[in-house]
Amino acid sequence: TQLLEQSPQFLSIQEGENLTVYCNSSSVFSSLQWYRQEPGEGPVLLVTVVTGGEVKKLKRLTFQFGDARKDSSLHITAAQPGDTGLYLCAGEPNDYKLSFGAGTTVTVRA
Amino acid sequence: SQTIHQWPATLVQPVGSPLSLECTVEGTSNPNLYWYRQAAGRGLQLLFYSVGIGQISSEVPQNLSASRPQDRQFILSSKKLLLSDSGFYLCAWRSTGGSPLHFGNGTRLTVT
Repeated sequence: TQLLEQSPQFLSIQEGENLTVYCNSSSVFSSLQWYRQEPGEGPVLLVTVVTGGEVKKLKRLTFQFGDARKDSSLHITAAQPGDTGLYLCAGEPNDYKLSFGAGTTVTVRA
Repeated sequence: SQTIHQWPATLVQPVGSPLSLECTVEGTSNPNLYWYRQAAGRGLQLLFYSVGIGQISSEVPQNLSASRPQDRQFILSSKKLLLSDSGFYLCAWRSTGGSPLHFGNGTRLTVT
């Protein structure tokens, strides 16, 4: 079983539309991280959320950490083709072991 | 600044052949090092991690092994590859537990 469940698995939208990706767990995390990965490359960190209820903004991307620190969401406003990629959430249930969700593949069509 | 190097970028190996993937980190000392495997377009499966020289923790007991002969060098090996070992292998480092991971560009391994 996956410690972190991401939904949806795939998302295809038109340029200019909004989208939301979810990351859920039954476990409590001290922090959650979001990464974006492009084909043939390693994932790159987008943001780390630490405090329950925290909202962080990175240009058109808004990240929220649930009050109970069990879930997180990523919202993209006015998506652009450059937002295309695999979005991964990650959390650390034990020291040193960062576990990843299965990812959401986002495709933004021009 | 810190950099991570992983090679080779692609590798095609026959079943039963040995494997050695190497990863080195520059610009930091005593990093935590990780090997992940990724199926096509999906999440990352943690294979091994190391918090110091000679200290290896295995998450997935298979025909793979890892070694850390030097502080900033992490090697993934196999004596005999299986078809199921095909995948995208990623090396990563971070300074401490809880800090973000920095990934290499990965090795695409195809076992034929």
